Amino acid sequence: AQTVTQSQPEMSVQEAETVTLSCTYDTSESDYYLFWYKQPPSRQMILVIRQEAYKQQNATENRFSVNFQKAAKSFSLKISDSQLGDAAMYFCAYRSPLYNFNKFYFGSGTKLNVKP
Amino acid sequence: DTEVTQTPKHLVMGMTNKKSLKCEQHMGHRAMYWYKQKAKKPPELMFVYSYEKLSINESVPSRFSPECPNSSLLNLHLHALQPEDSALYLCASRQSYSNQPQHFGDGTRLSIL
Repeated sequence: AQTVTQSQPEMSVQEAETVTLSCTYDTSESDYYLFWYKQPPSRQMILVIRQEAYKQQNATENRFSVNFQKAAKSFSLKISDSQLGDAAMYFCAYRSPLYNFNKFYFGSGTKLNVKP
Repeated sequence: DTEVTQTPKHLVMGMTNKKSLKCEQHMGHRAMYWYKQKAKKPPELMFVYSYEKLSINESVPSRFSPECPNSSLLNLHLHALQPEDSALYLCASRQSYSNQPQHFGDGTRLSIL
């Protein structure tokens, strides 16, 4: 089974600064989908950004961007100009387009604190 | 506003009670999910329905019984739960056979006395 690893249980960033959250995954597939989800204390899981493995260009969504390194099986999330509202748990997730294609594999999560 | 609606928001029940959690979406999604989540942990997949048929059961105890009456509705029937079943239960949906992400509801906070 695919595994997703988030090695940083908790991180802190000063408001307006930049922070990078790490995610690595293990797979033998060449095509797959990667996601970052945010879960604030209000508890709803919200999609932050997604990346398709066949696309070489890194995905960006406003202040959020990824550094997708396919060979290294790395998918880090960069948050620029951090805001207080960015404080949340962040989960990295993997999905295969073929094997068990409805299943999402989640990492253990990184708690992000934003200091004013 | 969430597009996946879960009710109730909170539920307290005894170990001998029978209750149900409800999830509804009107986005035309054909894959629907139940997850269990403990504090500061990732969601744990319980069940997946694809086109109203159960496609994944992650070896969930029989005291949890899912039901998908139609393409918009997903239920989770609860019976004789244990204190360790106290958790946040999340429902999610997505377009099947695509690169689309899951859309999550706000969850039901379940407490077993």
